[in-house]
Amino acid sequence: GENVEQHPSTLSVQEGDSAVIKCTYSDSASNYFPWYKQELGKRPQLIIDIRSNVGEKKDQRIAVTLNKTAKHFSLHITETQPEDSAVYFCAASISNAGNMLTFGGGTRLMVKP
Amino acid sequence: ETGVTQTPRHLVMGMTNKKSLKCEQHLGHNAMYWYKQSAKKPLELMFVYSLEERVENNSVPSRFSPECPNSSHLFLHLHTLQPEDSALYLCASSQDWGLYNEQFFGPGTRLTVL
Repeated sequence: GENVEQHPSTLSVQEGDSAVIKCTYSDSASNYFPWYKQELGKRPQLIIDIRSNVGEKKDQRIAVTLNKTAKHFSLHITETQPEDSAVYFCAASISNAGNMLTFGGGTRLMVKP
Repeated sequence: ETGVTQTPRHLVMGMTNKKSLKCEQHLGHNAMYWYKQSAKKPLELMFVYSLEERVENNSVPSRFSPECPNSSHLFLHLHTLQPEDSALYLCASSQDWGLYNEQFFGPGTRLTVL
């Protein structure tokens, strides 16, 4: 089955700096890659996603890039703010597996004011 | 209530107890999911229901038994659990079971097995 590895497990940045979180996946048939944000004590929420026919997608300060050849995708957060502090999860899904997501282990991002 | 709700929010049970977790979604969705979230481990998909039919059972021990009486409600029945089953159990729903459907999560039930 699919395996998703996520790095780093923790990331500390200064407010205003950029943060990058990387994920690799094992199944080349994966074609949907969402990112979820989970603030402390709260539920995971989708922040951005990318499909396999797109190499990059942006939404204000966040962007996701996908390299299908290398089987990795990354989340980029620019101009980080304290409210960006949370655990971020990447996930991958295969088209013939419905909406079954395989999640990475998570990255705890801490933005220092 | 809006979105996805779960009750109870916290549960402590002994290994011989029987308890149930409840999830309700108020979004008109057709697919519902149970996940297990343990410390330092990825979110693990346990069960998926689409239109009240189970479509996925991810090799979950039989001491966990799901039930989906209608598209708005999902239960997880627990019996003879082990301490290693202590975790946050998250329910989620999506419009449909197909690819690209955003999953909306509930707040979770924090389960402690003594």
